[in-house]
Amino acid sequence: QVQLQQSGPGLVKPSQTLSLTCAISGDSVSSNSAAWTWIRQSPSRGLELLGRTWYRSKWYSDYAESVKSRITINPDTPKNQFSLQLNSVTPEDTAVYYCARGQVIVVAGSSYYYVDVWGQGTTVTVSS
Amino acid sequence: DIQMTQSPSSLSASVGDRVTITCRASQSIGSWLNWYQKKPGKAPNLLIYAASSLQSGVPPRFSGSGSGTDFTLTISSLQPEDFASYYCQQSYSIPFTFGPGTTVDIK
Repeated sequence: QVQLQQSGPGLVKPSQTLSLTCAISGDSVSSNSAAWTWIRQSPSRGLELLGRTWYRSKWYSDYAESVKSRITINPDTPKNQFSLQLNSVTPEDTAVYYCARGQVIVVAGSSYYYVDVWGQGTTVTVSS
Repeated sequence: DIQMTQSPSSLSASVGDRVTITCRASQSIGSWLNWYQKKPGKAPNLLIYAASSLQSGVPPRFSGSGSGTDFTLTISSLQPEDFASYYCQQSYSIPFTFGPGTTVDIK
């Protein structure tokens, strides 16, 4: 059974960096079918997929345009985990942050992505 | 970005009712549509992927249909544990956007 365990601070000051880690058990961060994902939810923005990292012979990542200049998602293969760094945070970044496993399956020649495993969520407040 | 809308935004229903939630995409997304259930304080839970495929372990009272721009999530007989919020998500093009959600509460 795949489980994701999040860790990181719940309070970040404006202009500083939000850092969260997601430890994976029951799967590998280097899996050839997974995309390791960060998603957040806030009242103002709803559910928002921030970005993903995945391994297919080499590492790839993609990020939402809304945070692209401020975000990094990194895999850590020795520790079998991945992390989120969001720089220069403002109160607009206050949200519940989830790490998640995205699965990519091929059906009739088409690739489908969905999120099937989630971390427990971390409430992050940006405030001085 | 592809915009996702859902209707209704909320509904009240009774145990045993048939419930239908609609999701619409701002452009055609084929069958690249997922449905999630979310309860307060919990992470979302995948119900349906690829528009109509039931995720393993999800009760068969949940079903999904549609393609192109219009999709439906149906709960055939609402159970007490189904009172929650439901979100659609398109996975056709990056960024994979979510709908605003539909809250199902007790009548």
